[in-house]
Amino acid sequence: SQQGEEDPQALSIQEGENATMNCSYKTSINNLQWYRQNSGRGLVHLILIRSNEREKHSGRLRVTLDTSKKSSSLLITASRAADTASYFCPHRGGADGLTFGKGTHLIIQP
Amino acid sequence: ETGVTQTPRHLVMGMTNKKSLKCEQHLGHNAMYWYKQSAKKPLELMFVYSLEERVENNSVPSRFSPECPNSSHLFLHLHTLQPEDSALYLCASSQDYTSGGNNEQFFGPGTRLTVL
Repeated sequence: SQQGEEDPQALSIQEGENATMNCSYKTSINNLQWYRQNSGRGLVHLILIRSNEREKHSGRLRVTLDTSKKSSSLLITASRAADTASYFCPHRGGADGLTFGKGTHLIIQP
Repeated sequence: ETGVTQTPRHLVMGMTNKKSLKCEQHLGHNAMYWYKQSAKKPLELMFVYSLEERVENNSVPSRFSPECPNSSHLFLHLHTLQPEDSALYLCASSQDYTSGGNNEQFFGPGTRLTVL
């Protein structure tokens, strides 16, 4: 399975703090993406990192990729209440469609 | 707004009904997808269409029947469903369906389906 495994399954922090979540995978990849899903709604693409990249930034988001460890991390700095959501790291190795894990459920406490 | 719309947003149906879910993308993309998201389970890829041809079928029961009449529209026809088919059904599109490259997917808001 090329399923990404997000860790932790749930994370609760105070508003303003940084949130870090991790993702591990099992096979080689072309790229890895992070998506956010607010409760019961569609997914929103956050960032894509290619297999030859080690770090990427987008606004308050920082993603790292370590292909030797088959892992990635997503850092959200200065968290806000609107960041409360589930976060997923599907990836794609060959010509297969994206496969999702259970995600990390992030709760930002006011 | 992601450029992908789904109708209806909510649907309640009996096990003997026939209904269809509709997805439309306004992004000029060539690939479209159906996903199923059940409570406490990972998002499951059901069907993939590229240039109106089905390219992937992940062992989905025949009571789910997809249709892609053109590159902008995707349907999921439902008949004789079971209560365990109750879930959020998400449609997505991407520019292309090829290995490598930028395959960011744009998701619709989903249809919340309840089968009684």
